[in-house]
Amino acid sequence: SQQGEEDPQALSIQEGENATMNCSYKTSINNLQWYRQNSGRGLVHLILIRSNEREKHSGRLRVTLDTSKKSSSLLITASRAADTASYFCANGAGFKTIFGAGTRLFVKA
Amino acid sequence: EAGVAQSPRYKIIEKRQSVAFWCNPISGHATLYWYQQILGQGPKLLIQFQNNGVVDDSQLPKDRFSAERLKGVDSTLKIQPAKLEDSAVYLCASSFLRGGGSNTGELFFGEGSRLTVL
Repeated sequence: SQQGEEDPQALSIQEGENATMNCSYKTSINNLQWYRQNSGRGLVHLILIRSNEREKHSGRLRVTLDTSKKSSSLLITASRAADTASYFCANGAGFKTIFGAGTRLFVKA
Repeated sequence: EAGVAQSPRYKIIEKRQSVAFWCNPISGHATLYWYQQILGQGPKLLIQFQNNGVVDDSQLPKDRFSAERLKGVDSTLKIQPAKLEDSAVYLCASSFLRGGGSNTGELFFGEGSRLTVL
């Protein structure tokens, strides 16, 4: 399968704590993207990091990319109950965008 | 700017019946994708169009699934006959075609069409 892997599969934290999700992929990439999916909804794009970038920030989100290890991480700081959702990484290579299996994040109020 | 529109949102059919899903992408987006998302899994690409041509349909079960993109805009995905394992959410997405042929920019998703096959 071309899909990458994400860990953990599920994560439960208290409001205010930080959440870290990791993603590994198999092929060379143009970029690595992170998406969020609330239950029963479509996916929403959060952030894109290009293959020549190592770190990127957007609000409470911080993404890192290590192309030598074919891995990325997403850090959500000061989590809120509203951050409860599934988070997916997607690697862009050529014309394809391949999604991982996702991390289910639950933030307890 | 209007988002990606999909219909129907929900569909329940019996196995061996047929079903069709419709998608209207964001205006000006050359690339359209159909993904299948089974409960608890990530989206799996079924077919990718660029304008009205197929870029990738390697994971489309062509014995039962078909898709077309009319005039490079709207698209329909059809399943005939449906099987129990086709129960899933069918997500349509579109993206802007970037210069240089690379198409791996941000994808914009619709809300999905949830199919239940009994």
